Amino acid sequence: DSGVTQTPKHLITATGQRVTLRCSPRSGDLSVYWYQQSLDQGLQFLIQYYNGEERAKGNILERFSAQQFPDLHSELNLSSLELGDSALYFCASSSSQNTEAFFGQGTRLTVV
Amino acid sequence: GQSLEQPSEVTAVEGAIVQINCTYQTSGFYGLSWYQQHDGGAPTFLSYNALDGLEETGRFSSFLSRSDSYGYLLLQELQMKDSASYFCAVRSGSNYQLIWGAGTKLIIKP
Repeated sequence: DSGVTQTPKHLITATGQRVTLRCSPRSGDLSVYWYQQSLDQGLQFLIQYYNGEERAKGNILERFSAQQFPDLHSELNLSSLELGDSALYFCASSSSQNTEAFFGQGTRLTVV
Repeated sequence: GQSLEQPSEVTAVEGAIVQINCTYQTSGFYGLSWYQQHDGGAPTFLSYNALDGLEETGRFSSFLSRSDSYGYLLLQELQMKDSASYFCAVRSGSNYQLIWGAGTKLIIKP
């Protein structure tokens, strides 16, 4: 158990809909990262938050947004969903020393 | 642009040794990490090299040459449970933004 909790584990929704994925980082970790992994692909970095503030942005679509709350949990919002958004979405957290990232078990999103 | 290259697939025999290479081109470099991911599972951290040389952790070792922008993961005494995808990732900035390779699928045959 990495200590990072992601909910829900699975999500099936229709095209055009909006969903929210939730992540609770390891206790004490200030950094949260979101990744997208499509079938048999590598990890695509979406966005990073540090102590409530956006720190780095990757290949995140404008239809996607995220935030980190004062209790350090984070949410990734995906809107106007398309079939191609079907993927595993991982959240990871790390401490201020930043040498190791701990991943949650992911949310498998299926858009039909 | 920034990129990491690693082989897409490697096949080895149970009990043997296998090396997975990673070359990188990034604007900054703080360290090279390796992660293991089983099918359907989450990536798990294996190693982190910030300085040149070999780091050994049990059956796994990781090597870095910063002058060559190159590293490798060495797995010894392969077991069937080592069948997984292995990702190299470069920490390119102080904020731990990671740039990931596409992953190497390790297939182990009995």
